[in-house]
Amino acid sequence: AQRVTQPEKLLSVFKGAPVELKCNYSYSGSPELFWYVQYSRQRLQLLLRHISRESIKGFTADLNKGETSFHLKKPFAQEEDSAMYYCALRGRGSTLGRLYFGRGTQLTVWP
Amino acid sequence: KAGVTQTPRYLIKTRGQQVTLSCSPISGHRSVSWYQQTPGQGLQFLFEYFSETQRNKGNFPGRFSGRQFSNSRSEMNVSTLELGDSALYLCASSSGLAGGYNEQFFGPGTRLTVL
Repeated sequence: AQRVTQPEKLLSVFKGAPVELKCNYSYSGSPELFWYVQYSRQRLQLLLRHISRESIKGFTADLNKGETSFHLKKPFAQEEDSAMYYCALRGRGSTLGRLYFGRGTQLTVWP
Repeated sequence: KAGVTQTPRYLIKTRGQQVTLSCSPISGHRSVSWYQQTPGQGLQFLFEYFSETQRNKGNFPGRFSGRQFSNSRSEMNVSTLELGDSALYLCASSSGLAGGYNEQFFGPGTRLTVL
């Protein structure tokens, strides 16, 4: 069965500290993995996806198929990074329109 | 491009009533997906419509239904409302086509409260 697990509900770091938001998944096949972010009073938006292997706002995420993980990392957290982060998974083909979300991690970056 | 819009933004209903929520996708997008967000269950997929056909369905009872019109606008209906249906209902639109990024763009949501 498809499942996305984010073990930390809350995560707090100080400005300038490294941050890592954990995500583990289970899926029979080759999924696509995403990180979505929701800033206060804003709508859910895509942060990054594993297939593009890009860095957005200083965040990166590497898909580790052996450990079935897709952790989100940033070397130096900023106060504006405070938000709710969701890891999500999608299958291929006809299930393109269906995302499986983790429960989310609320990141707070203290000044 | 205008973003995904949802109406109404807030709704208060009583148990037993029914409700219809509306979602207008980004122009050119043919896929609309619906999600229910609650503190207890998080974000859960309800269903997806593509070119007026339901393409995917989540594990929700038959009280939850939807449809999509020829202009890609979508509605979801919940009949015989229960207290547990209180949630934020999000819709997301995308091209729905394979071969591209097919990014889902989310609307602001409709907050449904059932009393």
